[in-house]
Amino acid sequence: TQLLEQSPQFLSIQEGENLTVYCNSSSVFSSLQWYRQEPGEGPVLLVTVVTGGEVKKLKRLTFQFGDARKDSSLHITAAQPGDTGLYLCAGRPSSNYKLTFGKGTLLTVNP
Amino acid sequence: DSGVTQTPKHLITATGQRVTLRCSPRSGDLSVYWYQQSLDQGLQFLIQYYNGEERAKGNILERFSAQQFPDLHSELNLSSLELGDSALYFCASSVGWAGDQPQHFGDGTRLSIL
Repeated sequence: TQLLEQSPQFLSIQEGENLTVYCNSSSVFSSLQWYRQEPGEGPVLLVTVVTGGEVKKLKRLTFQFGDARKDSSLHITAAQPGDTGLYLCAGRPSSNYKLTFGKGTLLTVNP
Repeated sequence: DSGVTQTPKHLITATGQRVTLRCSPRSGDLSVYWYQQSLDQGLQFLIQYYNGEERAKGNILERFSAQQFPDLHSELNLSSLELGDSALYFCASSVGWAGDQPQHFGDGTRLSIL
């Protein structure tokens, strides 16, 4: 059983469209991180959210941590081909200090 | 550039063999993490070292072992290799030991078992 469930698993959209990907769990997390991984490279940290209800913006990317700290979402406005990649969420459960990764959402933005 | 260096980038070997993957963490980072990434399992945490000591264990097989040396570089040893061990192996580093520290990943070693 995956502690962090990400959806959708795959997403293919046209340049300029908006999208939202989700990261859900039945567990409470002390913090949650989002990474982007491009082909042939390791994951790169985008943001960390730590407070329930927190919203963080990174240019066209908006990250939200659920009020109960069990879920998170990533919204991309006006997607560009450079946004293509595997988006991974990772969380540290309140019960321990290990970071657990979801399986990711593979996003393809077509020109 | 994350500052984390992994070698080799690619490794092709046969079943039953043993290989060693190497990782140099980012300057100043004391923690090193090893992960295995496959299409069906995603990114799986294997083991963490902090300042030379084992800190946390994940889904690491008994055929696998790791260590962190005094200069903080780390090696992951995989033995009695099986076809199912074919995967991307990533090393990451962070300043502290807690799981919510930002982790900086290397570009991985792609291991192919023939």
